[in-house]
Amino acid sequence: DAKTTQPTSMDCAEGRAANLPCNHSTISGNEYVYWYRQIHSQGPQYIIHGLKNNETNEMASLIITEDRKSSTLILPHATLRDTAVYYCIVKSAGNNRKLIWGLGTSLAVNP
Amino acid sequence: SQTIHQWPATLVQPVGSPLSLECTVEGTSNPNLYWYRQAAGRGLQLLFYSVGIGQISSEVPQNLSASRPQDRQFILSSKKLLLSDSGFYLCAWRASGGETQYFGPGTRLLVL
Repeated sequence: DAKTTQPTSMDCAEGRAANLPCNHSTISGNEYVYWYRQIHSQGPQYIIHGLKNNETNEMASLIITEDRKSSTLILPHATLRDTAVYYCIVKSAGNNRKLIWGLGTSLAVNP
Repeated sequence: SQTIHQWPATLVQPVGSPLSLECTVEGTSNPNLYWYRQAAGRGLQLLFYSVGIGQISSEVPQNLSASRPQDRQFILSSKKLLLSDSGFYLCAWRASGGETQYFGPGTRLLVL
């Protein structure tokens, strides 16, 4: 029942930018876009989230299209430690407790 | 800063045996707490969530149960494990009034 669509896998060269796309064409006006990643055998790690505006933090940048139907997570200088499964999730603000998880994108950063 | 702990890290149990997984959160009060399960190669499935002591909501019918005996303690239990209970169990917390969930390191359960 995931509301997002992501490519199954992607490759990126070490040191290059990794651009991970996500489609969320049915997103509602009050739904945030969240990104998490999960390194093998670890718990998911929060990366970034946004509503309408582009966001940037120490880990990544999030670019949301003007119509909000898609977004891109950018890792500006990918390292081998960024190899992980990246999940794009939409979630309503407020008391909505559910994060609906899809299968994510498996990103392989290659030396 | 806030931290979340889960134990044990790994567990191998025979079918029909009981289960108790523990999750504790430090550095915050009255968090919302969550139990998820992740089967191999699958996304996360929400099992239970709690907004306060003794308050548990179940998302899926199953032979698992959850309890919250203290503000920052969340326990996942089963009286009799099934083979299908194998998976990676993740606890998460969210600050009361906050939006973001933060996850623990997980417990890998193998039922044989």
